[in-house]
Amino acid sequence: QKEVEQNSGPLSVPEGAIASLNCTYSDRGSQSFFWYRQYSGKSPELIMFIYSNGDKEDGRFTAQLNKASQYVSLLIRDSQPSDSATYLCAVTMNNFNKFYFGSGTKLNVKP
Amino acid sequence: DARVTQTPRHKVTEMGQEVTMRCQPILGHNTVFWYRQTMMQGLELLAYFRNRAPLDDSGMPKDRFSAEMPDATLATLKIQPSEPRDSAVYFCASGLPSNGETQYFGPGTRLLVL
Repeated sequence: QKEVEQNSGPLSVPEGAIASLNCTYSDRGSQSFFWYRQYSGKSPELIMFIYSNGDKEDGRFTAQLNKASQYVSLLIRDSQPSDSATYLCAVTMNNFNKFYFGSGTKLNVKP
Repeated sequence: DARVTQTPRHKVTEMGQEVTMRCQPILGHNTVFWYRQTMMQGLELLAYFRNRAPLDDSGMPKDRFSAEMPDATLATLKIQPSEPRDSAVYFCASGLPSNGETQYFGPGTRLLVL
C-alpha cells in the first residue's frame, strides 16, 4: 500500500464549476498536509497546506482535512482553464521528516 | 526573488557515464530534498539533508547514486555509472522547518541516458 493515494484522473470539469480532488494517506501519525500544482513540464508549486481538522480557505481554493478518516481534499471553486494541471497531495510528520507524495490527479477544465 | 536553482537543466549522456547535478537552495533554507519524477513512479524522494547532514537516503540506489552538501549553498546528486532507467526529471527542493514545513522546488534537471 502506498503512503499517499490519489486517483490519477483525468478529472474533467467545465469552466466555472467546482473541482474536487481527493487524497488518502496510510500513516495515522501524519500531521502536515500539502497540495501542490504541477503544470506539464514544470516543477511542483505549493498551493496550500493544512495541519488541523476542518477547512482552510485561500481564495478559490479550500483544503479539507479529516484525520479520523485519513482523508484530505482540495476544492477549486470557479474553475478556470488555467487550473488545468496535475495536483499532487503530500503528507509528512512534523520537523520535515519524509515527505510522501501521491501520484497526482490530472485536472482538465474545459472552456 | 528567492528561488531554488538547478544545473544543468537538461542532460543527455550515454550509459556508463557519470552524471552530476547541482542545486543551490534558497538562502537561509536548511533542509534540502532530492526527488526523481517519472511517468511510471511519480515523484519519489531520493534523499534529504538538514544543516548539510544527510537525514535519509533510503530512497536512493546506493550502488550508483550519491548525494552530498559540500556547503550550505550547494547540494549535489551524482550517478555513476548511469543507466537508461535513470532517465527522469530530478528535482531539488529546499525549505525551513520554522516556515510551516513548506518546501520550494527548483526547475529540475531533465536527464536522458542513452
